[in-house]
Amino acid sequence: EVQLLESGGGVVQPGGSLRLSCTASGFDFTMYVMNWVRQAPGKGLEWVSGISDTGLTTYYADSVKGRFTISRDNAKNTVSLLMHSLRAEDAAIYYCAKDVGSTHIYYFQSWGQGTLVAVSS
Amino acid sequence: EIVLTQSPGTLSLSPGERATLSCRASESVSTGYLAWYQQTPGQAPRFLIFGASSRAAGIPDRFRGSGSGTDFTLTISRLEPEDFAVYYCQQYGSSPPTFGGGTKVEIK
Repeated sequence: EVQLLESGGGVVQPGGSLRLSCTASGFDFTMYVMNWVRQAPGKGLEWVSGISDTGLTTYYADSVKGRFTISRDNAKNTVSLLMHSLRAEDAAIYYCAKDVGSTHIYYFQSWGQGTLVAVSS
Repeated sequence: EIVLTQSPGTLSLSPGERATLSCRASESVSTGYLAWYQQTPGQAPRFLIFGASSRAAGIPDRFRGSGSGTDFTLTISRLEPEDFAVYYCQQYGSSPPTFGGGTKVEIK
């Protein structure tokens, strides 16, 4: 059974930084693109970032490009999202999501339960 | 980027009734690369449909996806109590992947 467990959420001041992590199990982590998808309170879903199976290719939404960095450690089955210069509009539940592809982003087959990021002074 | 517009915003129906949800794209979705997800309150989204019409593993056959080009539909043939939720479409035919705003299916 695929399991994705996010951690690292919390309250951060505007302009601050936070690092989210997702630990995966139940599948061959090295074979799939991994993504972060967020959901602001009471709002819809927004894809944020993705990373290819080897980690060599990364993808970002325009809204986070230059502020967020995605990475993965295939030895530890983890994917991380380092977020800098956080804004009020970044406040959301951040979901880790397993893709079906290995190099390109397709659709999100499995989801974690999410970790909440609040941006407040 | 491709903008997906879902309608209606809210659908009020009774258990056993048929639900028809629409997802319209601002431009043609390549190769029918459209997925659907279900989200119940406080839960993560659940993957339902890929390739516009293929059900994910374990998804009941009362869920049916259809459509091509710019117009896609999710039909739930007979609503079960657990089907009352918010449904999102997502296109993956072009970058970046984008989601529709969602349709809430509520109990009438």
